Amino acid sequence: DVKVTQSSRYLVKRTGEKVFLECVQDMDHENMFWYRQDPGLGLRLIYFSYDVKMKEKGDIPEGYSVSREKKERFSLILESASTNQTSMYLCASSLARVIPSPLHFGNGTRLTVT
Amino acid sequence: DAKTTQPTSMDCAEGRAANLPCNHSTISGNEYVYWYRQIHSQGPQYIIHGLKNNETNEMASLIITEDRKSSTLILPHATLRDTAVYYCIVRVAGRNTDKLIFGTGTRLQVFP
Repeated sequence: DVKVTQSSRYLVKRTGEKVFLECVQDMDHENMFWYRQDPGLGLRLIYFSYDVKMKEKGDIPEGYSVSREKKERFSLILESASTNQTSMYLCASSLARVIPSPLHFGNGTRLTVT
Repeated sequence: DAKTTQPTSMDCAEGRAANLPCNHSTISGNEYVYWYRQIHSQGPQYIIHGLKNNETNEMASLIITEDRKSSTLILPHATLRDTAVYYCIVRVAGRNTDKLIFGTGTRLQVFP
């Protein structure tokens, strides 16, 4: 089974802090994604990556950056956390780029910014 | 981007079939229909996907209409553990646009 592991289930940070959310997958997937989930808004794509050192903006990239130095690891960075970034963050990975393959999600990190 | 419309909530008796509808009237010819579910406090779980033929796996069946404007996810014998939010998603796949567009889903409540 594919395993996508997010480093923290719950995180509390202060406004202005730099925050790192880590995600690791163990199935050699090329594609990795970061979503955030908010009540009434569903899941929204922040950033995604098709390969090491490659990144693409999703629908709501403002206030975020990402890093993919190794194939199995995709990090989401909040340069200066704000209260409107309080949310559930979900990482996902998938195998193929041209032929759509299912995304496999981690269990999420619930981030609270105070 | 194609979008989907699902009922906000549905109920189903345990042991009965749960039929979850989805409208995707603006779907394009190369777009797949995916279904995911999310149980409280967990990440979304992949269920099934299809392009134009009906599909079945160990979890569910997917029925896609001939014009591809709607589909139905069928859980043949619902259990209490199937209580979750179910998302119908049109997969926009391409060289640089491979992503899922999630709506707000259908909250399925399975009762004893």
